[in-house]
Amino acid sequence: QSVLTQPPSASGTPGQRVTISCSGSSSNIGINYIYWYQQLPGTAPKLLIYRTNQRPSGVPDRFSGSKSGTSASLAISGLRSEDEADYYCAAWDDSLSGRVFGGGTKLTVL
Amino acid sequence: QVQLQQWGARLLKPSETLSLTCGVNGGSFNGYYWSWIRQPPGKGLEWIGEINHSRSTNYNPSLKSRVTISIHTSKNQFSLKLTSVTAADTAVYYCARGNGSGSPRGIHFDYWGQGTLVPVSS
Repeated sequence: QSVLTQPPSASGTPGQRVTISCSGSSSNIGINYIYWYQQLPGTAPKLLIYRTNQRPSGVPDRFSGSKSGTSASLAISGLRSEDEADYYCAAWDDSLSGRVFGGGTKLTVL
Repeated sequence: QVQLQQWGARLLKPSETLSLTCGVNGGSFNGYYWSWIRQPPGKGLEWIGEINHSRSTNYNPSLKSRVTISIHTSKNQFSLKLTSVTAADTAVYYCARGNGSGSPRGIHFDYWGQGTLVPVSS
C-alpha cells in the first residue's frame, strides 16, 4: 500500500490528452513539492517533472504537472506511442521524514 | 555528463547481508543527496535512504533498522548495506543522485544507475 495513490492504469489514443492523478495527504503533497518519473520497460526511471511543475531540459512541453490541495496531476498532451511507460509520482513526507512514491500508473497508447 | 555505475553481490540467501556500491563519474560529488531506491519485480519504486557529503542520512522508516548507507568522498562512491535479507528484499536496486535545494524536501533524482537485480533465495 503506497502512501501516494495513483490509478494502476491509464490509456489514450495518439494525439489525445491524458491525465494521471496522484493523491496524498497534508503531510506530503499538501505541503511539499511533487516529482514525476517516467520508466520505460527495462530501464531506470527518468525525471519528468520536478518541484511540482518544472520540466528538466530535454523534456517536451507536452508534459506538465500541477497540484491542488493534497492531489497532484501529470498531464500529457499530444500523446505519442513513445509515451507508453510507467509513471510514478513522488514527494517528501513530513510525518515519515522520508520520501514516498506512488504505486505507479501504466500508460497504454492505443 | 554524470554517470552512476553500480556493482555488488547478486544472488543472496535469506539472513545474508546485501552490499552494493555506486560510483559517480563526472560532476561534483558535494552538494547532493546520494540515494538508493529499489523496485521488486513487477512492482513500484521504494525509497531506501540517502546520504549527503556531510554524512547526514535519511532512511525509510520501514527499513531503517536494517539499512546503512555510507559515503566515500575520496573515491566518489557511496554504498548500501541491508542486513538480514529475506525473499521480500528481492528487487532491482538503483542508486541515484538527489539534486535540488539544501532541504531534503526539494530533492529530485536526476541521474540514476543502471540498476542491479538482487534475488534472495535459499
